[in-house]
Amino acid sequence: QQQVKQSPQSLIVQKGGISIINCAYENTAFDYFPWYQQFPGKGPALLIAIRPDVSEKKEGRFTISFNKSAKQFSLHIMDSQPGDSATYFCAASRNNNDMRFGAGTRLTVKP
Amino acid sequence: NAGVTQTPKFQVLKTGQSMTLQCAQDMNHEYMSWYRQDPGMGLRLIHYSVGAGITDQGEVPNGYNVSRSTTEDFPLRLLSAAPSQTSVYFCASTGGRVTGELFFGEGSRLTVL
Repeated sequence: QQQVKQSPQSLIVQKGGISIINCAYENTAFDYFPWYQQFPGKGPALLIAIRPDVSEKKEGRFTISFNKSAKQFSLHIMDSQPGDSATYFCAASRNNNDMRFGAGTRLTVKP
Repeated sequence: NAGVTQTPKFQVLKTGQSMTLQCAQDMNHEYMSWYRQDPGMGLRLIHYSVGAGITDQGEVPNGYNVSRSTTEDFPLRLLSAAPSQTSVYFCASTGGRVTGELFFGEGSRLTVL
């Protein structure tokens, strides 16, 4: 039973558009919520992360929105670019240990 | 900077064979872990270690063994390979008690026939 549920499974966006990926978690003990980006043939790499004491974090074109009461968080990619085409994973962990990942979203940004 | 190094990158096994996937990190990280990645399943935690001599099970530990004799190395052993263990395996480490950022290797693709 997956502790972090991610949607959609795949997403196609036009260049310049907004990409939105959603995640929901069950374990209220989770205290760290990162997003990872993975390109084909490579390992995942940290993109952006948030802790539950804030509702939003922005780094450049990437924003995490966090809703503690709903146990949901989402990744927004503004002005999406073809170079953003990759697989994105949300994750959650408690005390930085035992990190659990969502199933992943394959994003394609069309030029 | 080497970071997290996994070997081999590719391996084909026959059912019942055993093998070890190697993982080494040069960042002096305390925490290391192994994940498997399967289509539609994301990354699932197999085993992890919070320091030398300490290991614990993750979500899908059956069929795998680990040990942590040094801070740098965290090998994953398949005792008797099964087709269900065909997957891409990733080793990761973190030393960040504050950030929790996982640093991943480039993966080992294993096929069990």
